[in-house]
Amino acid sequence: GAGVSQSPSNKVTEKGKDVELRCDPISGHTALYWYRQSLGQGLEFLIYFQGNSAPDKSGLPSDRFSAERTGGSVSTLTIQRTQQEDSAVYLCASSFLGRGDSPLHFGNGTRLTVT
Amino acid sequence: EDKVVQSPLSLVVHEGDTVTLNCSYEVTNFRSLLWYKQEKKAPTFLFMLTSSGIEKKSGRLSSILDKKELFSILNITATQTGDSAVYLCVLNSNSGYALNFGKGTSLLVTP
Repeated sequence: GAGVSQSPSNKVTEKGKDVELRCDPISGHTALYWYRQSLGQGLEFLIYFQGNSAPDKSGLPSDRFSAERTGGSVSTLTIQRTQQEDSAVYLCASSFLGRGDSPLHFGNGTRLTVT
Repeated sequence: EDKVVQSPLSLVVHEGDTVTLNCSYEVTNFRSLLWYKQEKKAPTFLFMLTSSGIEKKSGRLSSILDKKELFSILNITATQTGDSAVYLCVLNSNSGYALNFGKGTSLLVTP
């Protein structure tokens, strides 16, 4: 596709439910990042994929958060038993080279609201 | 602990003014420093800086890196209302794979 695509664009869920966020990176981009952005805060790193493997998961806030990437392409971020503090915009980015050696291209994000 | 500190946090200027946005960082060993512009949703890439003292320029925007003093600046000349956005400074360090984002400078250009 022309750019990074994320779905859904908005998600409202009840506390305690599981949610799945999807990211479709630019074709040919080997590196994929997940970040989240809370109101008034900077972008917080969650996880980095190189191909299908995740050499850096250090930003995942708890074991309720997990992510996978299949076929070196689509990635899903799953949040189990959502809490109100999980409310944020979840941004996905991809890049041609890994290790941030080429610019990241961001999707428009998924706005998650946990009620 | 913030690795990337941006200043000012917010700025209001009139169309036509020149602005300078600042970014200071702590690590001395890093791969690159990047600037992004975030309007409503997706941040968009502006510059990638790897060498000290070499200015990068794109239209009315320019940026430079000072590795000795550990800072970078982003200049915007002859500002326009379309320049209104949050400008993000990003450090690509050698530790880990995360790119560390500053909290951003919110720029508002008034007509």
